Amino acid sequence: EDQVTQSPEALRLQEGESSSLNCSYTVSGLRGLFWYRQDPGKGPEFLFTLYSAGEEKEKERLKATLTKKESFLHITAPKPEDSATYLCAVPTGSGNTGKLIFGQGTTLQVKP
Amino acid sequence: DAGVTQSPTHLIKTRGQHVTLRCSPISGHKSVSWYQQVLGQGPQFIFQYYEKEERGRGNFPDRFSARQFPNYSSELNVNALLLGDSALYLCASSYRVVTEAFFGQGTRLTVV
Repeated sequence: EDQVTQSPEALRLQEGESSSLNCSYTVSGLRGLFWYRQDPGKGPEFLFTLYSAGEEKEKERLKATLTKKESFLHITAPKPEDSATYLCAVPTGSGNTGKLIFGQGTTLQVKP
Repeated sequence: DAGVTQSPTHLIKTRGQHVTLRCSPISGHKSVSWYQQVLGQGPQFIFQYYEKEERGRGNFPDRFSARQFPNYSSELNVNALLLGDSALYLCASSYRVVTEAFFGQGTRLTVV
């Protein structure tokens, strides 16, 4: 069964303290891995798409990487405004459906 | 350009009632998906429509139904509401069936 697991569930950092979030996946035939940011009560905001092992994407203080079994979201020198829940998702099922399976998310709190 | 828009933003219904949620995708996007998100969990897939055809259905009871209109907007209908249907309902649009999805702000449904 296809599965996505994120760790840790919660992470508290001091401003400027770099860290990484993990997304482990089990899926038959990876057709992309997506990272989202979600603020409380809002819809997820798209961040990155990764398609193949070794691929990296960067945006401001965030860098996403992909291996054959997991993806990491590296946060460099975070600021309080980076506080949010970060979700990863993969498409599952046949090529005729874009059903996404999400992890439960990592809630990041950055303190000034 | 306008993103994905959902209406209403908040809704309170009584058990046993029916509800209709609406979604307008990003211009040019032909796929609309619906997700349910309860507090502390990642979004759960309900339906996907592409070019007005159903492309996927999640593990939800028949009380949940959806459709997509010729202008690619979509409705999610839920009959005989239960307390457990209280959640954030998210609509996502994408250009193709399997590609990154862009989410609306969600509809917060409370069943009392």
